[in-house]
Amino acid sequence: AQKITQTQPGMFVQEKEAVTLDCTYDTSDQSYGLFWYKQPSSGEMIFLIYQGSYDEQNATEGRYSLNFQKARKSANLVISASQLGDSAMYFCAMTVSNFGNEKLTFGTGTRLTIIP
Amino acid sequence: GAGVSQTPSNKVTEKGKYVELRCDPISGHTALYWYRQSLGQGPEFLIYFQGTGAADDSGLPNDRFFAVRPEGSVSTLKIQRTERGDSAVYLCASSENGGANIQYFGAGTRLSVL
Repeated sequence: AQKITQTQPGMFVQEKEAVTLDCTYDTSDQSYGLFWYKQPSSGEMIFLIYQGSYDEQNATEGRYSLNFQKARKSANLVISASQLGDSAMYFCAMTVSNFGNEKLTFGTGTRLTIIP
Repeated sequence: GAGVSQTPSNKVTEKGKYVELRCDPISGHTALYWYRQSLGQGPEFLIYFQGTGAADDSGLPNDRFFAVRPEGSVSTLKIQRTERGDSAVYLCASSENGGANIQYFGAGTRLSVL
């Protein structure tokens, strides 16, 4: 079974600063995917970034980057130049390849608050 | 195109009643997932559809929960004899198969069982 651990229940960051949200994962599978989602107070889960287990380069999407350290089983999200609109819950999640069934296993999330 | 649509956005019901929650996925997405999110937790997997068939229903908590996707598009999650512990946000996601298989979520249905 897979497990995602997010150890930061909440974080406060000054606007325009960079922030790192921690995520560690546990799986015995060699092929897996790692995801970050953002959940604003409206409730919708918004996809941010994806990293495949065989990808050698860290994934980047605009201000988001994923710091993938396979040996340490960590997949931290880095947000550069934070904005007030970044205030939300952030979830790390993973899938393992299973004949097309890619159900997500989520962590408990980190609530990020950006301070003006 | 349009995203994943879930209706109703909120549902309040009494203990013991039957409810149906609807999910309209992104057009062309063959895979559809239901998740349940309790307060302060991450979403938990309920059931996965590939086309019309439920390929994995291992996350359904008991036989009061059932889901269908008769034409391979819209899906309905059905809960019989609702209990207060069923109160949660029910999220639906859809994806294309292949590649990163990124799941795109709807805004969810908040179910409150009184």
